[in-house]
Amino acid sequence: SQQGEEDPQALSIQEGENATMNCSYKTSINNLQWYRQNSGRGLVHLILIRSNEREKHSGRLRVTLDTSKKSSSLLITASRAADTASYFCATVGTASKLTFGTGTRLQVTL
Amino acid sequence: GAGVSQSPSNKVTEKGKDVELRCDPISGHTALYWYRQSLGQGLEFLIYFQGNSAPDKSGLPSDRFSAERTGGSVSTLTIQRTQQEDSAVYLCASSLALGDLYEQYFGPGTRLTVT
Repeated sequence: SQQGEEDPQALSIQEGENATMNCSYKTSINNLQWYRQNSGRGLVHLILIRSNEREKHSGRLRVTLDTSKKSSSLLITASRAADTASYFCATVGTASKLTFGTGTRLQVTL
Repeated sequence: GAGVSQSPSNKVTEKGKDVELRCDPISGHTALYWYRQSLGQGLEFLIYFQGNSAPDKSGLPSDRFSAERTGGSVSTLTIQRTQQEDSAVYLCASSLALGDLYEQYFGPGTRLTVT
């Protein structure tokens, strides 16, 4: 079963705009991770934020974490067509088992 | 260096047949994970290995599913008597060690279609 929900389920923006995706989860966590998936195949790890962190940056990515609300957001700034993909948040449970959210499908158009 | 590889990339099988899916993790990675992605269930964890040992098999959907890992390297996920609901993309991942701060590297997946 999935840990939580992501919204929106789908997002369409123009190149250059910012994209924000939100993730909610249900249980206590040690960290939360974001992944990207192209064309329904392999997942690529984007960023990890620990439970004692509130914000983290990596290039054009900014992740926030609010453990009191059990929610996280991923912001992609200055989006590019190559950012078109599905984005998933994942929480880490026992034995490093990843539990994924439902995902957001991002479409960036020229 | 080489990433995680999986074979076959696509597999079409008839209902009732057995299938074997293979995962080659990154060399030196001691932890290996299997996940499944289907339309109805999203991305779900199946099983993990620490070395050759799989301490928790509770994520496997049914007793038709089994997995093994040999030599601390290659892993095989076997589905016996396949059913249509087994159709999904099966993803394998490996990490340097077990622990929530170790990044998991995913393979490209095997798309299984049961007709």
